[in-house]
Amino acid sequence: GNSVTQMEGPVTLSEEAFLTINCTYTATGYPSLFWYVQYPGEGLQLLLKATKADDKGSNKGFEATYRKETTSFHLEKGSVQVSDSAVYFCALSPPRDPYNNNDMRFGAGTRLTVKP
Amino acid sequence: KAGVTQTPRYLIKTRGQQVTLSCSPISGHRSVSWYQQTPGQGLQFLFEYFSETQRNKGNFPGRFSGRQFSNSRSEMNVSTLELGDSALYLCASSLALAGVGEQYFGPGTRLTVT
Repeated sequence: GNSVTQMEGPVTLSEEAFLTINCTYTATGYPSLFWYVQYPGEGLQLLLKATKADDKGSNKGFEATYRKETTSFHLEKGSVQVSDSAVYFCALSPPRDPYNNNDMRFGAGTRLTVKP
Repeated sequence: KAGVTQTPRYLIKTRGQQVTLSCSPISGHRSVSWYQQTPGQGLQFLFEYFSETQRNKGNFPGRFSGRQFSNSRSEMNVSTLELGDSALYLCASSLALAGVGEQYFGPGTRLTVT
């Protein structure tokens, strides 16, 4: 079935450090891939997305490239800030299939803490 | 444009009771999905409604049900509450079916069952 695996947290970095959060997926066909961020006490916000192989999603300095060959969608940021402290979720949306569930699948989430 | 709103934000119930949660999607959005978020299980999909019809359902017992109204507002109901139902319940809306377009999440309803 469809699933997402992302690196275990928590991750603690100093301000201006480089961030990578690994995400790999299992899916049939070509799913759409997403990164969501959840700040304390809030719902999830879409951070970026990619809908086909080799697409690069980017937003607020974060980037992720859809790699079909390695079934990965790693999140990166060159220089993190204290305000980036949050929980990050990788997610996939499978291609619409009338015979199977089409629900979005989320990874377990990775908590990032950035210290000044 | 107003975001997704969920009411109530916090709820405390006793085992055996039932509860109804409400979600108002972004204006114009026709799809509403519900998720349960717990520290142990993470984010789990409950169901999706589009144009008042349930289009997709996750692996939850029949105690969990939902509906969508003609104005796209949605409610979910949990009957015979169990301690394990304590969770953050998130609602998300989108223009098209979930996965076709972006989903926008509400702040959630924190349900505590005692």
